[in-house]
Amino acid sequence: SAVISQKPSRDICQRGTSLTIQCQVDSQVTMMFWYRQQPGQSLTLIATANQGSEATYESGFVIDKFPISRPNLTFSTLTVSNMSPEDSSIYLCSDGTYYNEQFFGPGTRLTVL
Amino acid sequence: QKEVEQNSGPLSVPEGAIASLNCTYSDRVSQSFFWYRQYSGKSPELIMSIYSNGDKEDGRFTAQLNKASQYVSLLIRDSQPSDSATYLCAGSSSNTGKLIFGQGTTLQVKP
Repeated sequence: SAVISQKPSRDICQRGTSLTIQCQVDSQVTMMFWYRQQPGQSLTLIATANQGSEATYESGFVIDKFPISRPNLTFSTLTVSNMSPEDSSIYLCSDGTYYNEQFFGPGTRLTVL
Repeated sequence: QKEVEQNSGPLSVPEGAIASLNCTYSDRVSQSFFWYRQYSGKSPELIMSIYSNGDKEDGRFTAQLNKASQYVSLLIRDSQPSDSATYLCAGSSSNTGKLIFGQGTTLQVKP
C-alpha cells in the first residue's frame, strides 16, 4: 500500500478561524477520501476527493464548510472553515477504491477553543 | 438498524486467550468487510479483509464471514497485551461501495 502523510499532525485553533490539512501519498492513487473521527466515535466519511473535479460530499457535509482540493493524483487538502468547538476531531485521509481496502494516513488532531 | 453494529465493550480477556470480536450488518452493506485496529491516539490500521463466506486466517487473526446471518467476526488467538486496542469493523455500502464503520469494540488483554 502507498505511504500517506498528513500535515499538520495536530493543531489548536481559535473559533472562527480556518485550518487547511494536507494529505500526501507517495504514489499515484485513483481515489482519496476524507474522514472525521469525533472524540470517542467511529469514522464518518466527509467526502471523496476527485482529481480534476469537485469533491463528492456525504450527507451533512457541505463544500462551504469543508472545501477540498485534489490538484493531482498524489495530493489533497481539506479545509475546515469558520471553526467551532464542535469541529474538534481527528481528520483522516485515506486512499483506496470502492468496495475494497482503504489505508489511512496518521491523522490530524484538531482542537478548537 | 444501524448499517454496521458492534458492541463497544470493553472486552477483557487474559493474555494467551482467544479474543472474539463480533459485528453485524444490515442489508445496506454487502460484498466486502474489513477489520481495522486503532491504538489510542493513532489512525486505523487494516488487519483483515474478507470478501466471501467462510474463514480467512492470517497469523493469529481469523476473520469469519456469514452472509446469510449478516455477521462478521474477528478471532485473535494467543492474545497479547499489545493487542489491546479498539477494533473497527467496516463494510462496503451495497449501493456506493463506500466504507461504513461500526462504532468499534475496545479490547483489553490483561497480563
